[in-house]
Amino acid sequence: GAGVSQSPSNKVTEKGKDVELRCDPISGHTALYWYRQSLGQGLEFLIYFQGNSAPDKSGLPSDRFSAERTGGSVSTLTIQRTQQEDSAVYLCASNTGGGSYNEQFFGPGTRLTVL
Amino acid sequence: GQQVMQIPQYQHVQEGEDFTTYCNSSTTLSNIQWYKQRPGGHPVFLIQLVKSGEVKKQKRLTFQFGEAKKNSSLHITATQTTDVGTYFCAGPHSGGSNYKLTFGKGTLLTVNP
Repeated sequence: GAGVSQSPSNKVTEKGKDVELRCDPISGHTALYWYRQSLGQGLEFLIYFQGNSAPDKSGLPSDRFSAERTGGSVSTLTIQRTQQEDSAVYLCASNTGGGSYNEQFFGPGTRLTVL
Repeated sequence: GQQVMQIPQYQHVQEGEDFTTYCNSSTTLSNIQWYKQRPGGHPVFLIQLVKSGEVKKQKRLTFQFGEAKKNSSLHITATQTTDVGTYFCAGPHSGGSNYKLTFGKGTLLTVNP
C-alpha cells in the first residue's frame, strides 16, 4: 500500500517568505508527527497530532512555525518569514497511535533551503 | 531534559568487519527503537526492544537492551556495502508524553568495499 507522502520534495525560498509543507499520512493512521533534521543531526520533534485531540506543539521552535491537520488526515506545516536557520529536511511520520510502542513510518521528507 | 546519546558519531569499516553503535539515555526507557536512514533517504524502522536485558537478532544485526533499560546497542556482523547509512536509536520522552520519541544523533556507518 501507499506509504507516507510529502510535498514538495524540495523547496528553495528567499529569506522572509512563507512556505507550506504537506504531509499525507498512511490511510488509517491516527497519529502524525513532524520532525526537523538538520545536516548531520538527529531528528528534532516539532509537533504531534493524535485523532481529534489537541496537538502537542511543544517542539515548535518559534511562533513562526505552525501546523494543522484537516479531517484527521493531511497535515500542513507552515513556516512564516523564513530564516536561513530554518534550512533543513522536514520529515513527517505517522502510525496507528498507541504511544511510543508503535513504529513510526516516515515520509521521504521535504528539503527546505532558505537563501 | 531527557537526552539520548549515541557513539560513535561516525564509523568507517572495511567490508566484512564488524560494527557496533551504542545508545545511552539519561533516563530509564520503557522501550527503545532503532531506525536506519540510507544516504538521501528517510528513517526506516528496524526493531523495538521492550524488556530489560532483551536481545533480538535480525540476520547479521543484533540488538540489545540494557538491564537498567538506559542503554542499548546495535551490532552488525560482517558488514556489507548495503549496511551503509545512519543508525538512530530513539526512546520515549520521559515525563508523561509516551508518544514522543527522543532520537539520538545517530551513527553514520560507511563501508569500504
